[in-house]
Amino acid sequence: DSGVTQTPKHLITATGQRVTLRCSPRSGDLSVYWYQQSLDQGLQFLIQYYNGEERAKGNILERFSAQQFPDLHSELNLSSLELGDSALYFCASSPTGGLGTDTQYFGPGTRLTVL
Amino acid sequence: AQSVTQLDSQVPVFEEAPVELRCNYSSSVSVYLFWYVQYPNQGLQLLLKYLSGSTLVKGINGFEAEFNKSQTSFHLRKPSVHISDTAEYFCAVSDTGGFKTIFGAGTRLFVKA
Repeated sequence: DSGVTQTPKHLITATGQRVTLRCSPRSGDLSVYWYQQSLDQGLQFLIQYYNGEERAKGNILERFSAQQFPDLHSELNLSSLELGDSALYFCASSPTGGLGTDTQYFGPGTRLTVL
Repeated sequence: AQSVTQLDSQVPVFEEAPVELRCNYSSSVSVYLFWYVQYPNQGLQLLLKYLSGSTLVKGINGFEAEFNKSQTSFHLRKPSVHISDTAEYFCAVSDTGGFKTIFGAGTRLFVKA
């Protein structure tokens, strides 16, 4: 158990809908990262927040957005969902802002199925 | 920009045999290197990382990796694998001074009895 929690574990929804994925980092960790894992694209970095502020952006679509709240939990919002958004979404946390050295601690993931 | 190539998508091996999972990276600056493991239906967890110093890095579960700057490689090895090592292994790189970690496509290690 990494100490990172993600809810819900599974989510099934329809195309065009909007969903929110939630992540609680390990106690004391200031950074939260979001990743998308799919069979065809592998593990893709989406976005990182550090202490409430966006720190790095990866291959995140404009239909997706995220935020980190004062209590350091984070939410990933996915809107206008398409079939291709079906994937496993991981949240990870790390103690500091990173500068590349941090170990990331991954949650168990949220499996999103878009029908 | 960095990139990571894991040269084998699948590696089948018999129990108690040695294994090497290969990883090459590309970067114009100094890098930090990581190996993560993902067991079925779980998130990733760190096996080992290279930040600086000795090029031979030892990790958990008997794994080790060697940083080779001239060949831009960071291959993962284990002298004797167990059935429980069956998992997907990801090599990752981040550049010094940067915030992004780039993951490779993963290598699925399948240990057979």
